[in-house]
Amino acid sequence: NAGVTQTPKFQVLKTGQSMTLQCAQDMNHNSMYWYRQDPGMGLRLIYYSASEGTTDKGEVPNGYNVSRLNKREFSLRLESAAPSQTSVYFCASSVKTVLGGLYSNQPQHFGDGTRLSIL
Amino acid sequence: AQSVTQLDSHVSVSEGTPVLLRCNYSSSYSPSLFWYVQHPNKGLQLLLKYTSAATLVKGINGFEAEFKKSETSFHLTKPSAHMSDAAEYFCVVSDGRQLTFGSGTQLTVLP
Repeated sequence: NAGVTQTPKFQVLKTGQSMTLQCAQDMNHNSMYWYRQDPGMGLRLIYYSASEGTTDKGEVPNGYNVSRLNKREFSLRLESAAPSQTSVYFCASSVKTVLGGLYSNQPQHFGDGTRLSIL
Repeated sequence: AQSVTQLDSHVSVSEGTPVLLRCNYSSSYSPSLFWYVQHPNKGLQLLLKYTSAATLVKGINGFEAEFKKSETSFHLTKPSAHMSDAAEYFCVVSDGRQLTFGSGTQLTVLP
């Protein structure tokens, strides 16, 4: 089982360039998430999609856009990359809770990450 | 608002000795709590979760954690460390509306 697949695994950009990070899951999950991981700061939520057709901002959305293309795929776009966006980006997915709470007690399944450097 | 504090950024143990990774949390609601492990260049993998059932939770690879409401703690333990346990560990709290990650504890296992 592939689980959550992220592409690319590594990328180097110049300031001002744009790029899209791809994420796909094969677990039939309703909810998908994008995080960034920086040293000593744990993971911070950028955007999430509670279900197909919806997206919402997380803790650190500035400089990013997302698209929930279908139930399987959730992409993250950097329109004009900045050095402050150098980070490791993780996509995750989870079952949507029947109680309506976004996170509740459902664990998230993570991809292996995209390591992005912006010069 | 909720928060989670991992009390040690680095823990070093010898192979075969016990592991203790400490986590304290703050939440206005009855929280769900998770421990995840991250090996180098990999994503986070769920070790175990607490969701208001038994306070002692058993996870994968011999890890377990005890939910102590009076101490607002959810420490992760393992009786005997293995070299393959060397990784970063994250404590995570959820109040049903948001998920908050701790800053991580790097576990080193010495031969």
